Amino acid sequence: EADIYQTPRYLVIGTGKKITLECSQTMGHDKMYWYQQDPGMELHLIHYSYGVNSTEKGDLSSESTVSRIRTEHFPLTLESARPSHTSQYLCASSALSGSGGSGANVLTFGAGSRLTVL
Amino acid sequence: QKEVEQNSGPLSVPEGAIASLNCTYSDRGSQSFFWYRQYSGKSPELIMSIYSNGDKEDGRFTAQLNKASQYVSLLIRDSQPSDSATYLCAARNTDSWGKLQFGAGTQVVVTP
Repeated sequence: EADIYQTPRYLVIGTGKKITLECSQTMGHDKMYWYQQDPGMELHLIHYSYGVNSTEKGDLSSESTVSRIRTEHFPLTLESARPSHTSQYLCASSALSGSGGSGANVLTFGAGSRLTVL
Repeated sequence: QKEVEQNSGPLSVPEGAIASLNCTYSDRGSQSFFWYRQYSGKSPELIMSIYSNGDKEDGRFTAQLNKASQYVSLLIRDSQPSDSATYLCAARNTDSWGKLQFGAGTQVVVTP
Protein backbone atom coordinates (compact mmCIF):
# COMPACT_ATOMS: atom_id res chain seq x y z
CA GLU A 1 0.00 0.00 0.00
CA ALA A 2 1.37 3.42 -0.97
CA ASP A 3 2.04 5.47 2.10
CA ILE A 4 4.39 7.85 3.89
CA TYR A 5 6.30 6.64 6.92
CA GLN A 6 8.03 8.53 9.70
CA THR A 7 10.37 7.14 12.34
CA PRO A 8 10.75 7.42 15.22
CA ARG A 9 7.21 8.33 16.27
CA TYR A 10 8.44 9.52 19.65
CA LEU A 11 11.93 10.50 20.72
CA VAL A 12 13.16 11.83 24.06
CA ILE A 13 16.78 12.87 23.96
CA GLY A 14 19.28 14.96 25.90
CA THR A 15 20.66 18.34 24.92
CA GLY A 16 23.56 18.28 22.51
CA LYS A 17 22.72 14.96 20.88
CA LYS A 18 22.54 14.55 17.12
CA ILE A 19 19.22 13.26 15.86
CA THR A 20 17.85 12.22 12.51
CA LEU A 21 14.15 11.96 11.80
CA GLU A 22 13.41 9.60 8.95
CA CYS A 23 10.73 10.04 6.31
CA SER A 24 10.04 7.68 3.43
CA GLN A 25 7.20 7.54 0.94
CA THR A 26 6.19 4.80 -1.47
CA MET A 27 3.90 6.93 -3.65
CA GLY A 28 6.54 8.01 -6.13
CA HIS A 29 5.97 11.66 -5.22
CA ASP A 30 8.56 14.18 -6.33
CA LYS A 31 7.80 16.86 -3.74
CA MET A 32 8.48 16.33 -0.08
CA TYR A 33 8.13 18.66 2.89
CA TRP A 34 8.92 18.99 6.57
CA TYR A 35 6.56 20.93 8.81
CA GLN A 36 6.97 21.82 12.47
CA GLN A 37 3.95 22.10 14.71
CA ASP A 38 3.76 22.85 18.43
CA PRO A 39 0.68 21.54 20.30
CA GLY A 40 -2.41 23.54 19.41
CA MET A 41 -0.44 25.78 17.09
CA GLU A 42 -0.25 26.19 13.34
CA LEU A 43 1.89 24.29 10.87
CA HIS A 44 5.15 25.90 9.83
CA LEU A 45 7.04 24.79 6.71
CA ILE A 46 10.73 24.36 7.55
CA HIS A 47 12.12 22.49 4.51
CA TYR A 48 10.98 21.27 1.12
CA SER A 49 12.33 19.44 -1.89
CA TYR A 50 11.08 19.09 -5.44
CA GLY A 51 13.33 16.20 -6.32
CA VAL A 52 16.63 14.41 -5.83
CA ASN A 53 19.47 16.74 -4.80
CA SER A 54 17.04 19.65 -4.43
CA THR A 55 16.32 21.14 -1.02
CA GLU A 56 15.08 24.55 0.07
CA LYS A 57 14.43 26.26 3.37
CA GLY A 58 10.85 26.95 4.26
CA ASP A 59 9.05 29.90 5.76
CA LEU A 60 10.16 29.22 9.33
CA SER A 61 13.85 29.39 10.09
CA SER A 62 15.13 26.10 11.46
CA GLU A 63 18.51 24.87 12.65
CA SER A 64 17.77 21.50 11.12
CA THR A 65 19.11 20.29 7.78
CA VAL A 66 17.68 17.91 5.21
CA SER A 67 18.94 15.82 2.31
CA ARG A 68 17.30 14.21 -0.69
CA ILE A 69 19.57 11.56 -2.15
CA ARG A 70 16.72 9.25 -3.15
CA THR A 71 13.27 10.20 -4.36
CA GLU A 72 11.53 8.25 -1.63
CA HIS A 73 13.67 9.38 1.31
CA PHE A 74 13.82 12.83 2.98
CA PRO A 75 15.55 12.72 6.37
CA LEU A 76 15.79 15.69 8.74
CA THR A 77 18.84 16.13 10.97
CA LEU A 78 19.56 18.21 14.04
CA GLU A 79 23.30 18.27 14.73
CA SER A 80 22.94 19.38 18.34
CA ALA A 81 19.47 19.14 19.85
CA ARG A 82 18.26 21.81 22.28
CA PRO A 83 15.09 22.10 24.37
CA SER A 84 13.84 24.76 21.93
CA HIS A 85 13.70 22.01 19.28
CA THR A 86 11.00 20.19 21.23
CA SER A 87 8.06 19.95 18.84
CA GLN A 88 6.13 17.70 16.47
CA TYR A 89 7.75 17.25 13.07
CA LEU A 90 5.47 16.28 10.19
CA CYS A 91 6.70 14.99 6.85
CA ALA A 92 4.49 15.27 3.78
CA SER A 93 4.70 14.56 0.07
CA SER A 94 2.84 15.48 -3.08
CA ALA A 95 3.04 14.79 -6.78
CA LEU A 96 4.90 17.27 -8.97
CA SER A 97 2.16 19.59 -10.14
CA GLY A 98 1.29 20.36 -13.73
CA SER A 99 -1.31 23.02 -13.28
CA GLY A 100 -4.24 23.87 -11.06
CA GLY A 101 -6.13 20.94 -9.64
CA SER A 102 -6.31 17.30 -10.57
CA GLY A 103 -4.56 16.30 -7.39
CA ALA A 104 -1.65 18.67 -7.77
CA ASN A 105 -0.25 19.75 -4.44
CA VAL A 106 -2.54 17.48 -2.47
CA LEU A 107 -0.32 16.83 0.51
CA THR A 108 -0.25 13.46 2.20
CA PHE A 109 1.16 13.61 5.71
CA GLY A 110 3.05 11.03 7.69
CA ALA A 111 2.04 10.23 11.27
CA GLY A 112 4.62 12.62 12.67
CA SER A 113 7.65 12.45 14.95
CA ARG A 114 7.25 13.97 18.39
CA LEU A 115 10.62 15.16 19.66
CA THR A 116 11.34 16.08 23.27
CA VAL A 117 14.75 17.48 24.12
CA LEU A 118 15.57 17.55 27.83
CA GLN B 1 -1.36 40.06 7.59
CA LYS B 2 -1.33 36.28 7.36
CA GLU B 3 -1.74 34.80 3.91
CA VAL B 4 -4.53 32.46 5.03
CA GLU B 5 -6.76 33.50 7.91
CA GLN B 6 -9.21 31.46 9.92
CA ASN B 7 -11.10 32.03 13.15
CA SER B 8 -9.37 29.95 15.78
CA GLY B 9 -12.57 28.99 17.59
CA PRO B 10 -13.49 26.87 19.34
CA LEU B 11 -16.67 26.59 17.32
CA SER B 12 -19.21 24.75 19.44
CA VAL B 13 -21.85 22.91 17.40
CA PRO B 14 -24.72 20.77 18.69
CA GLU B 15 -24.80 17.25 17.35
CA GLY B 16 -26.86 17.11 14.16
CA ALA B 17 -26.41 20.80 13.37
CA ILE B 18 -24.43 22.43 10.57
CA ALA B 19 -20.89 23.62 11.30
CA SER B 20 -19.79 26.54 9.14
CA LEU B 21 -16.08 27.33 8.86
CA ASN B 22 -14.64 30.32 7.08
CA CYS B 23 -11.27 31.10 5.52
CA THR B 24 -9.90 34.11 3.68
CA TYR B 25 -6.70 34.31 1.66
CA SER B 26 -4.54 37.20 0.49
CA ASP B 27 -2.88 35.83 -2.67
CA ARG B 28 -5.39 36.79 -5.35
CA GLY B 29 -3.72 34.45 -7.82
CA SER B 30 -4.23 31.33 -5.70
CA GLN B 31 -6.06 28.69 -7.68
CA SER B 32 -6.30 25.61 -5.46
CA PHE B 33 -7.75 25.32 -1.99
CA PHE B 34 -7.87 22.53 0.49
CA TRP B 35 -9.50 21.65 3.78
CA TYR B 36 -7.62 19.33 6.13
CA ARG B 37 -8.91 17.82 9.34
CA GLN B 38 -6.52 17.30 12.23
CA TYR B 39 -7.47 15.36 15.32
CA SER B 40 -5.59 16.22 18.50
CA GLY B 41 -2.14 14.66 18.44
CA LYS B 42 -2.57 13.36 14.89
CA SER B 43 -1.40 14.54 11.49
CA PRO B 44 -3.64 16.45 9.06
CA GLU B 45 -5.75 14.49 6.58
CA LEU B 46 -7.32 15.90 3.44
CA ILE B 47 -11.09 16.06 3.43
CA MET B 48 -11.88 18.43 0.54
CA SER B 49 -10.21 20.23 -2.33
CA ILE B 50 -11.80 22.91 -4.48
CA TYR B 51 -10.48 24.71 -7.54
CA SER B 52 -13.49 26.45 -9.15
CA ASN B 53 -15.92 29.06 -7.90
CA GLY B 54 -19.07 27.62 -6.42
CA ASP B 55 -19.91 24.66 -4.27
CA LYS B 56 -18.41 21.19 -4.11
CA GLU B 57 -20.14 18.50 -2.10
CA ASP B 58 -18.70 15.27 -0.73
CA GLY B 59 -20.95 13.40 1.65
CA ARG B 60 -21.69 15.61 4.65
CA PHE B 61 -19.05 18.14 3.61
CA THR B 62 -19.54 21.08 1.25
CA ALA B 63 -16.73 23.41 0.25
CA GLN B 64 -17.55 26.82 -1.17
CA LEU B 65 -15.15 29.06 -3.09
CA ASN B 66 -15.54 32.70 -4.06
CA LYS B 67 -12.36 33.90 -5.75
CA ALA B 68 -13.63 37.45 -6.21
CA SER B 69 -14.04 37.77 -2.45
CA GLN B 70 -10.98 35.57 -1.74
CA TYR B 71 -13.10 33.43 0.51
CA VAL B 72 -13.35 29.69 1.10
CA SER B 73 -15.77 27.98 3.43
CA LEU B 74 -16.53 24.49 4.66
CA LEU B 75 -19.93 23.29 5.79
CA ILE B 76 -20.32 20.13 7.83
CA ARG B 77 -23.90 18.90 7.83
CA ASP B 78 -25.37 16.63 10.49
CA SER B 79 -22.33 17.20 12.69
CA GLN B 80 -21.19 14.19 14.71
CA PRO B 81 -18.96 14.03 17.80
CA SER B 82 -16.35 12.39 15.54
CA ASP B 83 -16.17 15.68 13.62
CA SER B 84 -14.62 17.33 16.67
CA ALA B 85 -11.18 18.34 15.40
CA THR B 86 -9.19 21.28 14.09
CA TYR B 87 -9.91 22.15 10.46
CA LEU B 88 -7.08 23.66 8.45
CA CYS B 89 -7.64 25.75 5.35
CA ALA B 90 -4.83 25.81 2.80
CA ALA B 91 -4.25 27.76 -0.41
CA ARG B 92 -1.78 26.93 -3.12
CA ASN B 93 0.71 29.73 -3.80
CA THR B 94 1.12 31.12 -7.28
CA ASP B 95 4.91 31.05 -7.06
CA SER B 96 6.79 28.54 -9.14
CA TRP B 97 6.83 26.11 -6.27
CA GLY B 98 3.12 26.10 -5.64
CA LYS B 99 3.63 25.60 -1.93
CA LEU B 100 0.61 25.40 0.30
CA GLN B 101 -0.05 28.16 2.81
CA PHE B 102 -1.96 26.89 5.82
CA GLY B 103 -4.21 28.83 8.11
CA ALA B 104 -3.91 28.42 11.85
CA GLY B 105 -7.01 26.21 11.93
CA THR B 106 -10.47 26.38 13.47
CA GLN B 107 -11.24 24.06 16.35
CA VAL B 108 -14.67 22.48 16.11
CA VAL B 109 -16.32 20.88 19.13
CA VAL B 110 -19.50 18.91 18.49
CA THR B 111 -21.54 18.53 21.67
CA PRO B 112 -23.96 15.60 22.12
